[in-house]
Amino acid sequence: SQTIHQWPATLVQPVGSPLSLECTVEGTSNPNLYWYRQAAGRGLQLLFYSVGIGQISSEVPQNLSASRPQDRQFILSSKKLLLSDSGFYLCAWSVGTTSSYNEQFFGPGTRLTVL
Amino acid sequence: AQSVSQHNHHVILSEAASLELGCNYSYGGTVNLFWYVQYPGQHLQLLLKYFSGDPLVKGIKGFEAEFIKSKFSFNLRKPSVQWSDTAEYFCAVNSGYSTLTFGKGTMLLVSP
Repeated sequence: SQTIHQWPATLVQPVGSPLSLECTVEGTSNPNLYWYRQAAGRGLQLLFYSVGIGQISSEVPQNLSASRPQDRQFILSSKKLLLSDSGFYLCAWSVGTTSSYNEQFFGPGTRLTVL
Repeated sequence: AQSVSQHNHHVILSEAASLELGCNYSYGGTVNLFWYVQYPGQHLQLLLKYFSGDPLVKGIKGFEAEFIKSKFSFNLRKPSVQWSDTAEYFCAVNSGYSTLTFGKGTMLLVSP
């Protein structure tokens, strides 16, 4: 069966420090991968998605970037964190097709606090 | 751009009460619709989905949703809620290339 892992689970970082959040998927090949930010009362905001290695689409301009160095690995990064980057970050995957008929499966999330 | 509106941010019910959570979307074409649930301390998980066919969709744990195309709605229902249904519920609609647009969520609190 497929599983999705995220780490770390929680992270406290000072303003201006770099960030690297990792997501890996097991049990499937060539998945579509997604990074979301969840804020209380604001739902889930899609940040990035990827349909293959090295292919990244950004949904909103911001202080963050994403990379997909391997088929089942998705990394969310920042060179210098801002206070506004605090939030709950979710990684998700779906079957890797161009169809929209696929549900997304979510990881446990990372709680990031920038001080 | 696609948008999803969930009418209630917080809902408080007693056990055995009936539940209906509203969801409206903006896109006028063919849509795929989803309801996700996030129980306290757990992953976001799929409750049910609509792709085509019968507009009344049944999901896990006794939930159902009805797709009404003319109203751009996909409301979630449950005849009798339980304390264990306390969670945050998100409506979502496909918005293009395998991406989803989510509503802002509805926090449901069921008192025993």
